[in-house]
Amino acid sequence: DTGVSQDPRHKITKRGQNVTFRCDPISEHNRLYWYRQTLGQGPEFLTYFQNEAQLEKSRLLSDRFSAERPKGSFSTLEIQRTEQGDSAMYLCASSRVDGRETQYFGPGTRLLVL
Amino acid sequence: QKEVEQDPGPLSVPEGAIVSLNCTYSNSAFQYFMWYRQYSRKGPELLMYTYSSGNKEDGRFTAQVDKSSKYISLFIRDSQPSDSATYLCAMRGFQKLVFGTGTRLLVSP
Repeated sequence: DTGVSQDPRHKITKRGQNVTFRCDPISEHNRLYWYRQTLGQGPEFLTYFQNEAQLEKSRLLSDRFSAERPKGSFSTLEIQRTEQGDSAMYLCASSRVDGRETQYFGPGTRLLVL
Repeated sequence: QKEVEQDPGPLSVPEGAIVSLNCTYSNSAFQYFMWYRQYSRKGPELLMYTYSSGNKEDGRFTAQVDKSSKYISLFIRDSQPSDSATYLCAMRGFQKLVFGTGTRLLVSP
């Protein structure tokens, strides 16, 4: 039973560059979520997909952020023109649609913007 | 005011102690309550999931929910150094989880 995987695990970039992260959910989980976590805080919701449809976006997700899940399997989160304030851990989670909808998290991608 | 309040700690206890962690919340729409454990630089790991008010036990862990007071707790019995981590409460009404800030727990041998 493979869990949620994320790639890369770490990313260092310079301000103004674009970065893309990938998330592979648990197989047969049709809901996929992105969260952002900064130091000393709990994760904050960014967006979620049911299959390939993006159903909700947080106001935290500025125009520089875009997420896709083109075939209802893996998802990508892209940040354009990165800013130092984007430095955080980006977490992906997945769940079944089964009433409980327990969310299982991946290991996260740690982004540092210099 | 945050929807979910959680004391960030750190909470330091000796090995074998009973640990009590708690969260309060303000949104009556929250129906599902979870506790996640997060080790440094790792993703959150689900520990407990509860739906209704009352207690749920799993090994050394007991989760308690009091919807009337909007208060949830996690108790850890016979705490071990390996329990040292950040404990995050999380809750949801519909889809997204809303987390507390996390309480950092340190269990000393």
